[in-house]
Amino acid sequence: NAGVTQTPKFQVLKTGQSMTLQCAQDMNHNSMYWYRQDPGMGLRLIYYSASEGTTDKGEVPNGYNVSRLNKREFSLRLESAAPSQTSVYFCASSEEGAGAYSNQPQHFGDGTRLSIL
Amino acid sequence: GEDVEQSLFLSVREGDSSVINCTYTDSSSTYLYWYKQEPGAGLQLLTYIFSNMDMKQDQRLTVLLNKKDKHLSLRIADTQTGDSAIYFCAERGGFDDTGRRALTFGSGTRLQVQP
Repeated sequence: NAGVTQTPKFQVLKTGQSMTLQCAQDMNHNSMYWYRQDPGMGLRLIYYSASEGTTDKGEVPNGYNVSRLNKREFSLRLESAAPSQTSVYFCASSEEGAGAYSNQPQHFGDGTRLSIL
Repeated sequence: GEDVEQSLFLSVREGDSSVINCTYTDSSSTYLYWYKQEPGAGLQLLTYIFSNMDMKQDQRLTVLLNKKDKHLSLRIADTQTGDSAIYFCAERGGFDDTGRRALTFGSGTRLQVQP
């Protein structure tokens, strides 16, 4: 059972280049997330998708776009990469419950390490 | 926004107990989680506790929650070198304006286990 799969694992870009980070989950989860992890700052939410066909901004959405292609896949696009976007990017998924007190732990991929020169 | 704070670093000797602490500000927290991140890997869910509990034990792991002080701790008994990793505390808060219950992460505590 693969869980959450991210590609690529590593990427180096030049300033101004564009690229798309791919994420797929095989747990039939409704919700998917993109985070960035920077030293000393924990994880910050970029965008999330509560269900197929919906996306919403998180804490740090500027400079990014997302697409929820289907229930399995959620991609993150950098249209014009900047050095400030050098980071480790994590995709996660969870099964959002209907109740206010339902437990929805998130399951993470192994990350994409992105360097922008 | 809500805040989750952790100390940055903890060093223990193999066989000792480790205690990793976390404080949070959201008084409407429902669930609190501990994740482990090994080098080059994603976050792995270790354990969680519901906010109406004050303790949960799972093999070598004990989670203590002081809801009054908004303090969460993770105790690892008989710490092994394989426990060396970064440990993240995360809290699930109340519903935000978009109907989502946000998950807020701390910045992580790096646990170093010395042989």
